[in-house]
Amino acid sequence: GESVGLHLPTLSVQEGDNSIINCAYSNSASDYFIWYKQESGKGPQFIIDIRSNMDKRQGQRVTVLLNKTVKHLSLQIAATQPGDSAVYFCAENIWGYQKVTFGIGTKLQVIP
Amino acid sequence: DVKVTQSSRYLVKRTGEKVFLECVQDMDHENMFWYRQDPGLGLRLIYFSYDVKMKEKGDIPEGYSVSREKKERFSLILESASTNQTSMYLCASSPLGQGHPSETQYFGPGTRLLVL
Repeated sequence: GESVGLHLPTLSVQEGDNSIINCAYSNSASDYFIWYKQESGKGPQFIIDIRSNMDKRQGQRVTVLLNKTVKHLSLQIAATQPGDSAVYFCAENIWGYQKVTFGIGTKLQVIP
Repeated sequence: DVKVTQSSRYLVKRTGEKVFLECVQDMDHENMFWYRQDPGLGLRLIYFSYDVKMKEKGDIPEGYSVSREKKERFSLILESASTNQTSMYLCASSPLGQGHPSETQYFGPGTRLLVL
């Protein structure tokens, strides 16, 4: 179900440290997962995705981990930089369907 | 680069007014989407379209309608705006192809609508 509230979960990280953003998804039938980054005043941008036949996928400085047993997804950002400050959304989807269900988002604040 | 543009960044309307939000994409994408974004609720799908003149309801279509007369343009219409429709509206597009549509969903910058 949806979370109701006015405030995003916030993660504050020191510049240079690693960040881990977590997400619980709801539909056990979902088999495709995406992380988006939304900077202030902009629309969300695709970061990385993973299919359910994988449990880990790496990109440039980012890693997504998938635990289907507990329906949990995480995004790891290595050596966090000020430019990583944004709201991060996880999204779930069933392959072949157009609809994507987004999480509520987590705000990442990078402390210089 | 894919570009998705929205007609306005900010809009102020009065209760009961008819409101049009326009979205245009320049990459010949088949799929187009309208979301609203509210604090603590994430992005919620209002309507989407997978072809000209085709539309599908999303999760929260009540109070909205859409129009897709041309492939590049997808309009969201608030027939009679209400204060609970104050929100950020995001348009997105994606191609229909061998790749998964979701991974290439491109978003516009959003329209912040205030209904008084």
